[in-house]
Amino acid sequence: EVQLVESGGGLVQPGGSLTISCAASGFTLSAYWMHWVRQVPGKGLVWLSQIDNYGIDTNYADSVRGRFTISRDTAKNTLYLQMSSLRADDTAVYYCVRGLIGLDYWGQGALVTVS
Amino acid sequence: DIQMTQSPPSLSASVGDRVTVTCRASQDIRNDLGWYQQKPGRAPKRLIYAASSLQSGVPSRFSGSGSGTEFTLTISSLQPEDFATYYCLQHHTYPWTFGQGTKVDIK
Repeated sequence: EVQLVESGGGLVQPGGSLTISCAASGFTLSAYWMHWVRQVPGKGLVWLSQIDNYGIDTNYADSVRGRFTISRDTAKNTLYLQMSSLRADDTAVYYCVRGLIGLDYWGQGALVTVS
Repeated sequence: DIQMTQSPPSLSASVGDRVTVTCRASQDIRNDLGWYQQKPGRAPKRLIYAASSLQSGVPSRFSGSGSGTEFTLTISSLQPEDFATYYCLQHHTYPWTFGQGTKVDIK
C-alpha cells in the first residue's frame, strides 16, 4: 500500500527556517517524480515544487524559488522540503505528493505556521 | 503561467442530481488534466487523470471529458459522500496550476 507521511511541521518565526519530511512506503522514491503542494487553511491548492526520479531536475513556483529547496534521501526513502526566509503568507498545510500522470497519492499534510 | 478557470465556485445540489463542473485553461494543455476531490480536514484524492480516465477504485458515477482548453467533471447521480470541494489541475507546463475549486453542498 502506498503511504506518504509528512512530519516536521510546527510554529516558526518570520525569517526563520524549517525542514519538513515525507516518509514514503509501498514504493521507491527513485522510481517516481515527487512534488510538494500547499494549502492555506480554507483556501485552494498551490503547487510548489517537483523533483525528478533521478533527484537531479527540480522545478519551483515563483513564490518559493530561492527560499525553498526540494531534496530526497533514497536510502531513507524520504522526501524533504527545506524552507528558509519564511513569511507569514507561507503559513499553510504542506502536502507531499507522488507524481504519476499528474499527482496521484497524497500525504496527510503537515501544518506550518509562521508567526 | 497557465490559468485554470473553474466554474462554478460553488453549487447546491440534491442527492441523485447530475452535477457538472468545468475548467477552462488559458492555453492548450492537450489532455494533461486531473480532477481531485477534497473533504474538510482531509488530503485531496484523485478522481480522474488524463482528462477522462477513471482512477482505480473511484465510483463510475464520476467521469471526465474534454481536451485542449475545455474540461468537464460530471457526477451522474450525486451521493451523500460526494459533498466536497473539487479541483482541477493542469500538469502540462510548469508551474502546474489548480483551478480555484468548486464546493458542492447539500441543497
